[in-house]
Amino acid sequence: KNQVEQSPQSLIILEGKNCTLQCNYTVSPFSNLRWYKQDTGRGPVSLTIMTFSENTKSNGRYTATLDADTKQSSLHITASQLSDSASYICVVRGYGGSQGNLIFGKGTKLSVKP
Amino acid sequence: GAGVSQSPSNKVTEKGKDVELRCDPISGHTALYWYRQRLGQGLEFLIYFQGNSAPDKSGLPSDRFSAERTGESVSTLTIQRTQQEDSAVYLCASSPSFGEKLFFGSGTQLSVL
Repeated sequence: KNQVEQSPQSLIILEGKNCTLQCNYTVSPFSNLRWYKQDTGRGPVSLTIMTFSENTKSNGRYTATLDADTKQSSLHITASQLSDSASYICVVRGYGGSQGNLIFGKGTKLSVKP
Repeated sequence: GAGVSQSPSNKVTEKGKDVELRCDPISGHTALYWYRQRLGQGLEFLIYFQGNSAPDKSGLPSDRFSAERTGESVSTLTIQRTQQEDSAVYLCASSPSFGEKLFFGSGTQLSVL
């Protein structure tokens, strides 16, 4: 069964600290993996995309990694800011399945405290 | 428009009433998705439209739920005989084509009393 599991479920950190969010998936065959940020009361917004051949990709203070062999991805946030408080959702795209070929994780809720 | 537009932003209805939610995707986007998000929960897939292909309805939770899309433009999600468990945020997303990132609207907050 195609699944995407995220951990931790929630996380509280102090402003300026770093954190790492995890995503494990069983989706096969694999097309790509995206991390989305969802602010409270808003729709998710794409942060980065990882394809099979990519190991690391940065977008400002966000760095995503992908290990296609172990089917794991991480999102590292450096020097966190209050505006980073949001839910971070891992979404894996496969081929030939239902749901538009997109499998969503349940998200990690990050709270950055001053 | 600049982004995906959903209306209404908030809807309060009585149990047993029908509701219609609207989504205007970004012009030219062939793919359109509907998701449901209960309070504090992840996104649940409802339905997916891709161009003129038959929609993927595998996520619709019951026959009270239906959705339509006119060509590659506006989509409506209809919930008949609403129940309290239908209370949630309903999110619409569109993408230029298969494999592209999704652009989400801000959702419709549905409250069934």
